Amino acid sequence: DAKTTQPPSMDCAEGRAANLPCNHSTISGNEYVYWYRQIHSQGPQYIIHGLKNNETNEMASLIITEDRKSSTLILPHATLRDTAVYYCIVWGSNYQLIWGAGTKLIIKP
Amino acid sequence: NAGVTQTPKFQVLKTGQSMTLQCAQDMNHNSMYWYRQDPGMGLRLIYYSASEGTTDKGEVPNGYNVSRLNKREFSLRLESAAPSQTSVYFCASSPQRQVPYNEQFFGPGTRLTVL
Repeated sequence: DAKTTQPPSMDCAEGRAANLPCNHSTISGNEYVYWYRQIHSQGPQYIIHGLKNNETNEMASLIITEDRKSSTLILPHATLRDTAVYYCIVWGSNYQLIWGAGTKLIIKP
Repeated sequence: NAGVTQTPKFQVLKTGQSMTLQCAQDMNHNSMYWYRQDPGMGLRLIYYSASEGTTDKGEVPNGYNVSRLNKREFSLRLESAAPSQTSVYFCASSPQRQVPYNEQFFGPGTRLTVL
């Protein structure tokens, strides 16, 4: 499975859109991009996933570039409760999700 | 729905002691997983069970054993605990193993310290 690269930390003002980038330049055609987040020391929480089209749900939007080598998770109106570590994972036919260190997102009032 | 539950929440062991971490899910999921998370790191898969009656090794299986007791329950056993096994252990479940239906639901974790 492809590896991902994320910035170690980011800040965002409360109420603004938080845009979290992820690079996955070695992604192959049948691999999906998954996003999870981990608030404090709780168990990770699934956010969204996609293959090549942009996806949106009640939590976030996922924008995948046309060449699929990078993606951006968008939290449209960030709140203090969105402070967490966000993990971008590429997953295909193998059984396991490979978790990197993620991006620590801090929402500031 | 309780989702995924784990017991105990905290545990302190001495080197060489054994213990079993319990996990149960009430979502009728087929697949279950055990991960460990060390400070500042992402999760690493220890073992998984794609369906009732099957178990397979993940990335870091040494020092652990698992049992898929039934569809609901998946336990993780440390036979002879070592300080290197000090970590937070998460259990997860998913409807299936195959993409794209592999959304995993996680339990609250067990914080284990081995002295």
